[in-house]
Amino acid sequence: GDSVTQMEGPVTLSEEAFLTINCTYTATGYPSLFWYVQYPGEGLQLLLKATKADDKGSNKGFEATYRKETTSFHLEKGSVQVSDSAVYFCALTLYSSASKIIFGSGTRLSIRP
Amino acid sequence: ETGVTQTPRHLVMGMTNKKSLKCEQHLGHNAMYWYKQSAKKPLELMFVYSLEERVENNSVPSRFSPECPNSSHLFLHLHTLQPEDSALYLCASSQVGQANTEAFFGQGTRLTVV
Repeated sequence: GDSVTQMEGPVTLSEEAFLTINCTYTATGYPSLFWYVQYPGEGLQLLLKATKADDKGSNKGFEATYRKETTSFHLEKGSVQVSDSAVYFCALTLYSSASKIIFGSGTRLSIRP
Repeated sequence: ETGVTQTPRHLVMGMTNKKSLKCEQHLGHNAMYWYKQSAKKPLELMFVYSLEERVENNSVPSRFSPECPNSSHLFLHLHTLQPEDSALYLCASSQVGQANTEAFFGQGTRLTVV
């Protein structure tokens, strides 16, 4: 079935380090891909998205590229800040069943000053 | 008001109580969702309402009862809960039938069952 797999956390980095959070997916159709972020005490909010192969989503210095050949959508940021500490969720939707949003298990990121 | 609003933000209830969680969206969306988020567990999809009809019910115990009176409002009625039901309950909405749609989440209700 359709699924999203993302790297286990927690991930702890120092401020200004390079960040990669891996995400791969399995889907029967042509999914749209998303990264959501959840700050402490809050709900999830959309960070970025990509809707077709080779699209790059970007926001707040984060980027992710839709790679159909490797079924991946890895999240990257060149220089993380303490304020980026949060839980990050990779997700997909399929146009054929757009009411179904499939989330990965989440990766907790902690940034040390 | 904008976005997705959940009330209350925090709720403590005994196992014999009956309470309800409320979610309201002001985005004109036609689908609404309840998710359960427990510590150290993945997000669990509980219910999906699309065009005010329940389209998904992921084997949720009957002590959780959803209600969607219109496309803007979603309730989760709770009765005789167990301590393991303590979690963050998240509501979301989206526009089904539109490609590339994303979900918008409320801030959640932190539920503690004592």
